[in-house]
Amino acid sequence: GQSLEQPSEVTAVEGAIVQINCTYQTSGFYGLSWYQQHDGGAPTFLSYNALDGLEETGRFSSFLSRSDSYGYLLLQELQMKDSASYFCARREAAGNKLTFGGGTRVLVKP
Amino acid sequence: EAGVTQFPSHSVIEKGQTVTLRCDPISGHDNLYWYRRVMGKEIKFLLHFVKESKQDESGMPNNRFLAERTGGTYSTLKVQPAELEDSGVYFCASSHLGQDLNTEAFFGQGTRLTVV
Repeated sequence: GQSLEQPSEVTAVEGAIVQINCTYQTSGFYGLSWYQQHDGGAPTFLSYNALDGLEETGRFSSFLSRSDSYGYLLLQELQMKDSASYFCARREAAGNKLTFGGGTRVLVKP
Repeated sequence: EAGVTQFPSHSVIEKGQTVTLRCDPISGHDNLYWYRRVMGKEIKFLLHFVKESKQDESGMPNNRFLAERTGGTYSTLKVQPAELEDSGVYFCASSHLGQDLNTEAFFGQGTRLTVV
């Protein structure tokens, strides 16, 4: 099975808040990254957590709890342009390679 | 600063043919990675170069795939002979060496490969 689990799809309205949860396997874990990908585009880095706690970057925040092997991405004040797929990715201790979750497709409605 | 560029953006080939994908990383990035997303599934790691050396090729599916990075700059990924299951989007990413936040990976737009 996958080493990272995240919901497949979330629908919300403009202005709402969405939380995308991600659970991961701990073996070789170094940190948790989040990427956004619009259809046909490149995965774009959003946030990274190596330590427990909350990292805030504008409307997007990411949280990590290493003891719970869990993290989340919080999207606030949703805008139509936030409709995209969001991937959590485990950064491996060796070589910095990324292991991705299956992605969460976020659909923002008016 | 130019981002990671990949060529071609799309490729349609017949089963049994050969295709070569190219990736130009961000200048100065010693780490170069190849990833693949097949049939809408998760993005999977293929291999990792540090400069011209293969650091980790544990994700390469079989010996029909050959990656090179001569001179430690751009990289090529050759599929020979291509099979139907090789269809997908191939992403390249690059980053600085190290483990801190500034070594986050930057991705290219990907090459969409369709084998018919």
